[in-house]
Amino acid sequence: DQQVKQNSPSLSVQEGRISILNCDYTNSMFDYFLWYKKYPAEGPTFLISISSIKDKNEDGRFTVFLNKSAKHLSLHIVPSQPGDSAVYFCAASSNTDKLIFGTGTRLQVFP
Amino acid sequence: DAGVTQSPTHLIKTRGQQVTLRCSPKSGHDTVSWYQQALGQGPQFIFQYYEEEERQRGNFPDRFSGHQFPNYSSELNVNALLLGDSALYLCASSSILQGANYGYTFGSGTRLTVV
Repeated sequence: DQQVKQNSPSLSVQEGRISILNCDYTNSMFDYFLWYKKYPAEGPTFLISISSIKDKNEDGRFTVFLNKSAKHLSLHIVPSQPGDSAVYFCAASSNTDKLIFGTGTRLQVFP
Repeated sequence: DAGVTQSPTHLIKTRGQQVTLRCSPKSGHDTVSWYQQALGQGPQFIFQYYEEEERQRGNFPDRFSGHQFPNYSSELNVNALLLGDSALYLCASSSILQGANYGYTFGSGTRLTVV
């Protein structure tokens, strides 16, 4: 039972353009959503999060949007940079419980 | 300030053997969670330890067991290894007061290969 889904395994974007990574979830009890970035041979690093009481959270070039009615969230990166090339994981939690991760989207930013 | 430290970084074991992976949490953290990340998949929750006890457990068989020590460090033990146990094993630490909502700090993982 995959409660957090990332249906796009990969995304390729030109440097300077917007990258949009999508995530869907099925458990309506999730109350916090997080994005992690993972480089090869490293552990995932926390990027940005959003509470279910909000619909948008912004941190520099990164913005996360939450649509609770659609059980959908997205991560926007503007402008995209080559250093953003990594695997991005969406994660969710319920009542500060364990994190449930999606399968990841590999983002490649090319010049 | 050291983050999460895992050892060893790589390990090769034979089917049927037993393995122990180790994790030292980030300073100030008291909770340790273990995840298994198979190739092409997202991290899957194995279990979480707090106050030296297993607090939560994911859908993993009893061959997977763990321990937390008084200094908050933790071990993951896997018995009777199967080829399917080959994966990256990630340790994540957090504070029980903040929980998962503030995010976990992950180590770089232990790459286990079962042959």
